[in-house]
Amino acid sequence: DSGVTQTPKHLITATGQRVTLRCSPRSGDLSVYWYQQSLDQGLQFLIQYYNGEERAKGNILERFSAQQFPDLHSELNLSSLELGDSALYFCASSVSGGGEKLFFGSGTQLSVL
Amino acid sequence: EDKVVQSPLSLVVHEGDTVTLNCSYEVTNFRSLLWYKQEKKAPTFLFMLTSSGIEKKSGRLSSILDKKELFSILNITATQTGDSAIYLCAVDLYGNKLVFGAGTILRVKS
Repeated sequence: DSGVTQTPKHLITATGQRVTLRCSPRSGDLSVYWYQQSLDQGLQFLIQYYNGEERAKGNILERFSAQQFPDLHSELNLSSLELGDSALYFCASSVSGGGEKLFFGSGTQLSVL
Repeated sequence: EDKVVQSPLSLVVHEGDTVTLNCSYEVTNFRSLLWYKQEKKAPTFLFMLTSSGIEKKSGRLSSILDKKELFSILNITATQTGDSAIYLCAVDLYGNKLVFGAGTILRVKS
């Protein structure tokens, strides 16, 4: 168990809908990362937050947004969902957010039907 | 564009065999290279390499980085069925971006 908690584990929804994925980092970790993993794309970096502030942005679509709250948990919001958004979404955390190993949660499996 | 390429894409071996997984990269602002093992769901950390030529070792697993030729290898000796997993290579960049390769799927048959 990495200490990173993601909810829900599975999510099934329809195209056009909006969902929120939640992540609680390991105790003491200030940085949260979001990744998307699909069969054809591998692990793609979406966005990173450090102590409530956005620190780095990857291949995140405009329909997606994220935030990190004062208690350091993070939410990833996905809207106007498309079939191609079906993927495993991982949250990871680290102590300071640079040059160190990440601890991954078990992921949220999103299926858009 | 930053790129991390792993080979082979998949590999099937028998228990007791030794395997070598490859990772090459073309990136700007290299900071370190990391290896992760992914079984079922969450990737788990194996190694972080920052310096060329220094082997990191953990039990039957070892890894080394060549910063001149821009690649790393992950060796697993005396493989066991529990080593079956996806092995992910990632490059950590200054600017706080971790770029992953597509992974190598390893299956160890008993």
